[in-house]
Amino acid sequence: QVQLVQSGAEVKKPGAAVKISCEASGYSFSSYYIHWVRQGTGEGLEWMGVIDPSGGSTTYAQGFEGRVTMSRDTSTSTVYMELTSLTSDDAAVYYCVREVGVRSNWFDPWGLGTLVTVSS
Amino acid sequence: DIQMTQFPSSLSASVGDRVNITCRASQTISMSLNWYQQKPGRAPNLLIYVASTLQSGVPSRFSGSASGTDFTLTITSLQPEDSATYYCQQSYNTPYTFGQGTKLEIK
Repeated sequence: QVQLVQSGAEVKKPGAAVKISCEASGYSFSSYYIHWVRQGTGEGLEWMGVIDPSGGSTTYAQGFEGRVTMSRDTSTSTVYMELTSLTSDDAAVYYCVREVGVRSNWFDPWGLGTLVTVSS
Repeated sequence: DIQMTQFPSSLSASVGDRVNITCRASQTISMSLNWYQQKPGRAPNLLIYVASTLQSGVPSRFSGSASGTDFTLTITSLQPEDSATYYCQQSYNTPYTFGQGTKLEIK
């Protein structure tokens, strides 16, 4: 079945960077975009950006431009999201999710999430 | 960016009730509206896509409709397991923005 398996929880100090992985299985990796969405504790869902695993092109949300980098490794069907210059506001669960659809699109499935804690 | 205004932010209903959750887009998004259910400690789960298409495996008591820039998620015959937070999302343009969420409590 289609699965997105994310890396484990991270604890980072303010100012550090975090890099989260998302390994896809059960489908053709290069055929579907992967998005990243985060959720602060008790908060809503925030879209961060998207990567095309085929060519590696990316689009980032304006609020993350300059701090986020999404990349992929087609040999391992893995997508990465790196966020730099972490602050307490970046403490959240980070989800990778596959985009499905043609003219109109939706997210399915979601990874289980990776908890990032930012603490000195 | 397209703003998605979702309401109510919370509601409480009884088993067997019917509830409506509405999402209003700040501009036209065609039918590019999706609904997700999220239970505590879990990732969101797709319920409805393209405004009214039920995802495989989702109970038929869930339905979606659209009228212009207003989109509604309806749950009929509420069940205890429907207690969750529900989010709408527009996929018309990036950034793919979400509504603020509706927390549904089953009395």
